[in-house]
Amino acid sequence: ETGVTQSPTHLIKTRGQQVTLRCSSQSGHNTVSWYQQALGQGPQFIFQYYREEENGRGNFPPRFSGLQFPNYSSELNVNALELDDSALYLCASSLSGVIYEQYFGPGTRLTVT
Amino acid sequence: AQSVSQHNHHVILSEAASLELGCNYSYGGTVNLFWYVQYPGQHLQLLLKYFSGDPLVKGIKGFEAEFIKSKFSFNLRKPSVQWSDTAEYFCAVGNRDDKIIFGKGTRLHILP
Repeated sequence: ETGVTQSPTHLIKTRGQQVTLRCSSQSGHNTVSWYQQALGQGPQFIFQYYREEENGRGNFPPRFSGLQFPNYSSELNVNALELDDSALYLCASSLSGVIYEQYFGPGTRLTVT
Repeated sequence: AQSVSQHNHHVILSEAASLELGCNYSYGGTVNLFWYVQYPGQHLQLLLKYFSGDPLVKGIKGFEAEFIKSKFSFNLRKPSVQWSDTAEYFCAVGNRDDKIIFGKGTRLHILP
């Protein structure tokens, strides 16, 4: 167990809908990164939040957005869902400024039909 | 752009066999290198990491990896695998900004 929690565990949405995924970071960690892991692939970096601001983004369209709250928990929002958005969404927390090590949560399995 | 290449997508070994999983990366600057493991039904966890110093790093559960800068490689090894090592293994490279690029993974299946 890493102390990083994610909710919900599983989610089924239909194409065109919007979804919000949540992540609580490990105690003391101020940085949260989100990854998308499609079936049979490695995790792909979506974006990172540090002190409530986006701190880098991977190759994902603007309909993927996020938030980080003062307690360092985070949300990932995806608008206008597409079938290809079906994946495991992973959240990882870390402490920026230290030789970093990311701790991953169990993930949210999103299925878009 | 950074990228990570894992040579083997699926490896099947018998217990007590030796293991080597290949990983090559493309990045010209200072890199931090990782191997993560994902056991069936469990979350991704760190197996070992390299930041600097001795290029041979030892991780948990008897795993080790060697950083060869001239070959841009960071291969994972274990002299004698166990059935419990059945999992998916991901090589990853990170830069100073905490962003990690993962390979596509190698699914390891150990026969009892």
